[in-house]
Amino acid sequence: KNQVEQSPQSLIILEGKNCTLQCNYTVSPFSNLRWYKQDTGRGPVSLTIMTFSENTKSNGRYTATLDADTKQSSLHITASQLSDSASYICVVSEGGGSYIPTFGRGTSLIVHP
Amino acid sequence: NAGVMQNPRHLVRRRGQEARLRCSPMKGHSHVYWYRQLPEEGLKFMVYLQKENIIDESGMPKERFSAEFPKEGPSILRIQQVVRGDSAAYFCASSSGANNYGYTFGSGTRLTVV
Repeated sequence: KNQVEQSPQSLIILEGKNCTLQCNYTVSPFSNLRWYKQDTGRGPVSLTIMTFSENTKSNGRYTATLDADTKQSSLHITASQLSDSASYICVVSEGGGSYIPTFGRGTSLIVHP
Repeated sequence: NAGVMQNPRHLVRRRGQEARLRCSPMKGHSHVYWYRQLPEEGLKFMVYLQKENIIDESGMPKERFSAEFPKEGPSILRIQQVVRGDSAAYFCASSSGANNYGYTFGSGTRLTVV
């Protein structure tokens, strides 16, 4: 069964600090992996998308890494801001004709001033 | 170049009424997905549709819930005889299909049953 596990479940950091969120998956065959940011009361917004051949992708202060061999991804946030407070969701899509991606439960990040 | 449009943003229904949630996919997208999110919980898959076809409804409750994506017009998620437990945020996503590369979410409809 395809699964996506995220850790930690929640994280509190001080403004200006860096943090790293983890995502492990068992989806196979692998097609692509996305990180989404979901602000409270809003829809998820895509931050990065990586395919099998990509092992890092940046979007401003967000940098995602992918190790397709170990089936792990991380999202690194640099110099955190209060607006980074949100839920971060890892989503993995299966290749081979499946059209329904597998969602992680998300990591809730709170950035304190 | 509008994104995925959902309406209404907020919907209040009394118990026993019907709720209709609409989703217009991004231009060029023919695949629509509906998700439900309870407070403090993750997104739960409900149903996946292509134009005029339900492809996978494995996450949809067997009773009172239905979805359609007609040849013309938006996708509709319909909840009949709503109960308090239906109160949630309902999100729609669309994609171009192959490998979900363009997977994009709408802003959601927040349903409150009173």
